[in-house]
Amino acid sequence: NAGVTQTPKFQVLKTGQSMTLQCAQDMNHEYMSWYRQDPGMGLRLIHYSVGAGITDQGEVPNGYNVSRSTTEDFPLRLLSAAPSQTSVYFCASSETHSGNTIYFGEGSWLTVV
Amino acid sequence: RKEVEQDPGPFNVPEGATVAFNCTYSNSASQSFFWYRQDCRKEPKLLMSVYSSGNEDGRFTAQLNRASQYISLLIRDSKLSDSATYLCAVPVYNQGGKLIFGQGTELSVKP
Repeated sequence: NAGVTQTPKFQVLKTGQSMTLQCAQDMNHEYMSWYRQDPGMGLRLIHYSVGAGITDQGEVPNGYNVSRSTTEDFPLRLLSAAPSQTSVYFCASSETHSGNTIYFGEGSWLTVV
Repeated sequence: RKEVEQDPGPFNVPEGATVAFNCTYSNSASQSFFWYRQDCRKEPKLLMSVYSSGNEDGRFTAQLNRASQYISLLIRDSKLSDSATYLCAVPVYNQGGKLIFGQGTELSVKP
């Protein structure tokens, strides 16, 4: 019963490097999203998707790209990592647009040096 | 004004105490509200949903005040295991599981 799976769990990047955070869900959910969490800031929405082939920006999209080629996968790409992107990243999926069916992955800890 | 705002705390309370957190929201059209619990370095997990005036689950009670645009979470008979950060969240209607979170309120229950 995997739910939402994120990889990697921990990553250290150098400034300017690019990388992809992977997110996969096995619940056939239409809605998927990426959040970042910084101390004292709660969770902030980066990008979200309402289905395969459809993505949209959230509150803090700059520096990140997403794509949704399949229902299961929603990778988050950092194009040119910056120290300001040091954060914990959570992927989430949802069956509906209401909040009570949202499932989060375990998080990815990213440090940019 | 932030869309969803919480008192960050920390709230330090003794075991057995009753503690309440508030969360204010700016969109008066919001219909549903959620309290999530987040343990240190873990993902948020749904604690309670609030769709009308309130909801109760054991020691936890969530109440909604639409006139003043806030929701509250009341924890009675606090346990050490209640120590966590409590996040309130408001979904953006019809926008695909898009949640707006407050900053979170940290609770520490002491023996």
